Amino acid sequence: AQSVTQLGSHVSVSEGALVLLRCNYSSSVPPYLFWYVQYPNQGLQLLLKYTSAATLVKGINGFEAEFKKSETSFHLTKPSAHMSDAAEYFCAVRGNFGNEKLTFGTGTRLTIIP
Amino acid sequence: EAGVAQSPRYKIIEKRQSVAFWCNPISGHATLYWYQQILGQGPKLLIQFQNNGVVDDSQLPKDRFSAERLKGVDSTLKIQPAKLEDSAVYLCASSLDLGGNTIYFGEGSWLTVV
Repeated sequence: AQSVTQLGSHVSVSEGALVLLRCNYSSSVPPYLFWYVQYPNQGLQLLLKYTSAATLVKGINGFEAEFKKSETSFHLTKPSAHMSDAAEYFCAVRGNFGNEKLTFGTGTRLTIIP
Repeated sequence: EAGVAQSPRYKIIEKRQSVAFWCNPISGHATLYWYQQILGQGPKLLIQFQNNGVVDDSQLPKDRFSAERLKGVDSTLKIQPAKLEDSAVYLCASSLDLGGNTIYFGEGSWLTVV
């Protein structure tokens, strides 16, 4: 079975500071990894995905994530936080070869302090 | 390109009543998912279709939930009879096929059971 663990249900950063949201995965097969963002009362929007190509993945809105197999991690970062980044962020894992279910973490709520 | 369409967006029903949600995926997407997202939690997969066949319904409470995808296009999720704990957002999503392809989500159908 595959799963992801998001460390920290709430993260607060000052505007202009580094954003770091942590995600560790567990998968018995090479995983596909995703970060989604959810704004209040909206659906999920894909930020970026890792599909076994480059380990450093760049996404929308200045976000990026690095796949580290040795650490089983896929942390999300952004160099400088903006007020519009305030939202809920979900890490998700999807396997392959008959195990393609997309499994989400419990989410991290990001608050930006002016 | 039109996104994943869901209706109704909001529904309030009394417990033991029934409700149905409709989803129209992105044109050409073979895989369709229904997720349940309870407030403060990550989305949980209820059922996954590949064309009009069920791939995974292991977490669908089959005594009260049912879903169908006739003709391999749009889908309906039904709850009968509803319980208080069914209050959640029901997210429909679709993707071209399995593997690393992006999964696109609709805006969600918000259900409140009173």
